[in-house]
Amino acid sequence: DSGVTQTPKHLITATGQRVTLRCSPRSGDLSVYWYQQSLDQGLQFLIQYYNGEERAKGNILERFSAQQFPDLHSELNLSSLELGDSALYFCASSPYETGSYNTGELFFGEGSRLTVL
Amino acid sequence: QQQVKQSPQSLIVQKGGISIINCAYENTAFDYFPWYQQFPGKGPALLIAIRPDVSEKKEGRFTISFNKSAKQFSLHIMDSQPGDSATYFCAARVSGSARQLTFGSGTQLTVLP
Repeated sequence: DSGVTQTPKHLITATGQRVTLRCSPRSGDLSVYWYQQSLDQGLQFLIQYYNGEERAKGNILERFSAQQFPDLHSELNLSSLELGDSALYFCASSPYETGSYNTGELFFGEGSRLTVL
Repeated sequence: QQQVKQSPQSLIVQKGGISIINCAYENTAFDYFPWYQQFPGKGPALLIAIRPDVSEKKEGRFTISFNKSAKQFSLHIMDSQPGDSATYFCAARVSGSARQLTFGSGTQLTVLP
């Protein structure tokens, strides 16, 4: 158990809808990362927050947004859903903003599986 | 330039055999190279990591070999066991920057009993 909690574990919705994925990082971790895992594309970085502020942005669509709250939990909002958004969405946390060799480990949750029909 | 290319996509090995997964990168600023292991229904978990100033790092049956000049690194699993069956991801990162881990596409390893 990594200590990172993601909810819901599974979500089925229709095209055009909006969903919110929630992540609670490990106790004390200030950084939260969101990754998308599709069958044929591995883990794609979406966005990172550190202590409530956005720190890095990856291949995140404009239809997607995220935030990190004062209690450090994070939410990923996906709107105007398309079939291609079906994927596993992982949250990871770390105590550090950047990380180096000794501090670079990310702790992943078990993911939220989104199915768009 | 941020890409990390991983091969093979899938690998089947007999119990007791050696599993080898390869990764290549382009960005010479990368200086942290971890491998993550993911079991079905679970999130990836750090397995082993290496810095580019060493050519090899070994932890138990798992070894990373690093070739800085070729910009390649590989994971070797000695005496592979059925319990090693999982998806393995290589990754790379620029230490000290706000940039995130860039992952390879993953290798699904199956170790036959």
